[in-house]
Amino acid sequence: AQKITQTQPGMFVQEKEAVTLDCTYDTSDPSYGLFWYKQPSSGEMIFLIYQGSYDQQNATEGRYSLNFQKARKSANLVISASQLGDSAMYFCAMREGVTSGTYKYIFGTGTRLKVLA
Amino acid sequence: ETGVTQTPRHLVMGMTNKKSLKCEQHLGHNAMYWYKQSAKKPLELMFVYSLEERVENNSVPSRFSPECPNSSHLFLHLHTLQPEDSALYLCASSQEGQGPKGYTFGSGTRLTVV
Repeated sequence: AQKITQTQPGMFVQEKEAVTLDCTYDTSDPSYGLFWYKQPSSGEMIFLIYQGSYDQQNATEGRYSLNFQKARKSANLVISASQLGDSAMYFCAMREGVTSGTYKYIFGTGTRLKVLA
Repeated sequence: ETGVTQTPRHLVMGMTNKKSLKCEQHLGHNAMYWYKQSAKKPLELMFVYSLEERVENNSVPSRFSPECPNSSHLFLHLHTLQPEDSALYLCASSQEGQGPKGYTFGSGTRLTVV
């Protein structure tokens, strides 16, 4: 069965340092997409970065990069040069069947990141 | 503003009340979603509408009733809820058929059932 696991309920990082948030997934579908979202205290979920299962290179978006290790089924989010505004909940999500037009996304339980001044 | 607007932001209702949550998207997307977010649990997909037709209904109790009158609006009608239904209800939209893209979420409605 499809599954997303985030094993770190909470993380601390010093401002300006890098931090890695872990995500592992399980799927039998060869075609899938992996997403990371940020949820600040205001509640809205903000899309950060996407990695397709067939993408050869790791995705990057500004200070965000996704460390995609397909054989290990991991999709860790790396945030470089952390800022105080990065303090939030971070969710890893997976969508199966990206070529077949299905709509099923599943989310992990999230990691709460606190950036320290 | 993300382009997806949810109202109200906060709602307190009794178990015998009837209320509705509203979601409006200004992005021209063709799919809309309701998610439930409870503390320490993954987001739970409740309903999916694609081109105003319901395509997913994940075993949600009948006390939750969705409505999608057009591609820009999505409602969640609530009646005779239980205290365990207290949660953050998130609406999202996406443009399907143009490759896998992330959702655009609204800010959510924080629902408390008393």
